[in-house]
Amino acid sequence: SQTIHQWPATLVQPVGSPLSLECTVEGTSNPNLYWYRQAAGRGLQLLFYSVGIGQISSEVPQNLSASRPQDRQFILSSKKLLLSDSGFYLCASSEGYSGNTIYFGEGSWLTVV
Amino acid sequence: RKEVEQDPGPFNVPEGATVAFNCTYSNSASQSFFWYRQDCRKEPKLLMSVYSSGNEDGRFTAQLNRASQYISLLIRDSKLSDSATYLCVVNIPGGFKTIFGAGTRLFVKA
Repeated sequence: SQTIHQWPATLVQPVGSPLSLECTVEGTSNPNLYWYRQAAGRGLQLLFYSVGIGQISSEVPQNLSASRPQDRQFILSSKKLLLSDSGFYLCASSEGYSGNTIYFGEGSWLTVV
Repeated sequence: RKEVEQDPGPFNVPEGATVAFNCTYSNSASQSFFWYRQDCRKEPKLLMSVYSSGNEDGRFTAQLNRASQYISLLIRDSKLSDSATYLCVVNIPGGFKTIFGAGTRLFVKA
């Protein structure tokens, strides 16, 4: 099965500061990669997904962006954080089309102050 | 109508009880269904896939009703360790997206 490494695990950032969350995947090639956000007490919101290097699909317009510089590396960024960006960010991976199991990294807790 | 809907709960049950969760989905073409478990402040983890004929894994039974577009999860003989949020997951056919329900919270009490 796939293993997803995600970091940092926890961060506290001031409003207006930049953000970079990174994840790498082991145990598979050419995975589909996803960034989800989960606000406190809420469900998972799909932010971005990628089916290949350099290919990014955005689900929700916002001040976040994603990049996939390598096959098994996925990065979530922001130039200026907002208070509403606080939440639990999860990198995920799957193989093939959408019917396959999704595996998650351990997540990153972001608090914007 | 939301793509995937779950009763948020919480469900408060005593140890040993049987509890069932339902989840409805809107896309009749969806083919793959899963239940995930999420512990507090942790990532979701796959609990079980849901097959057309229904499937069982120990105390857990998952069923699919295509005609009514819902899936269910039955937990028998609840344990304290079953306390968690259970997420219903449905694929969007023809692409790469999977939709997660908002989750049903379960508290099992001694």
